[in-house]
Amino acid sequence: AQRVTQPEKLLSVFKGAPVELKCNYSYSGSPELFWYVQYSRQRLQLLLRHISRESIKGFTADLNKGETSFHLKKPFAQEEDSAMYYCALWGTGRRALTFGSGTRLQVQP
Amino acid sequence: NAGVTQTPKFRVLKTGQSMTLLCAQDMNHEYMYWYRQDPGMGLRLIHYSVGEGTTAKGEVPDGYNVSRLKKQNFLLGLESAAPSQTSVYFCASRRSAGGPEHNEQFFGPGTRLTVL
Repeated sequence: AQRVTQPEKLLSVFKGAPVELKCNYSYSGSPELFWYVQYSRQRLQLLLRHISRESIKGFTADLNKGETSFHLKKPFAQEEDSAMYYCALWGTGRRALTFGSGTRLQVQP
Repeated sequence: NAGVTQTPKFRVLKTGQSMTLLCAQDMNHEYMYWYRQDPGMGLRLIHYSVGEGTTAKGEVPDGYNVSRLKKQNFLLGLESAAPSQTSVYFCASRRSAGGPEHNEQFFGPGTRLTVL
């Protein structure tokens, strides 16, 4: 069975501080990992995916297969980063994403 | 393109009432999904469809039924609503099976349902 774990329900930081949102997964095959973001009263939208190796809005995430992790990082948090962040996994042969329980990021001024 | 749309946006039901949530997408996507979002539990898959006329159960299908009569529409039905079905419901769609570029799911704005 595949599973995504986001251990923190809430992460509160001050503006300008570094941010790391944790995501661990369990999957026996070769997974694809995603981060989705949901701003207040908006729909979920894709933030980034590990295969693209891109940086979006200053966020990056590296897939660590040894630690089965896909943590989301940003060196300097901004107030507009405040949102709900979901890590999601796509397993080979599966037909839908499996989501973690989400972490709410609060960036204080 | 409107993307993925959902109707209604809000609804309040009494226990035992029935209702249908409508999801529509104009991107010609093959796959469509219904999730529910609850505090502390993230998004959980209710049902999904890999094409017109086909549906399959997800993680939490009990109490729900779905239909995909047209490719662009995916309906979620509650036959006899219960307070445990109070939630925010999200519809999503995906282009098709295939390479990694096909795996992004596009979400609707959500339907907030309260069952009293």
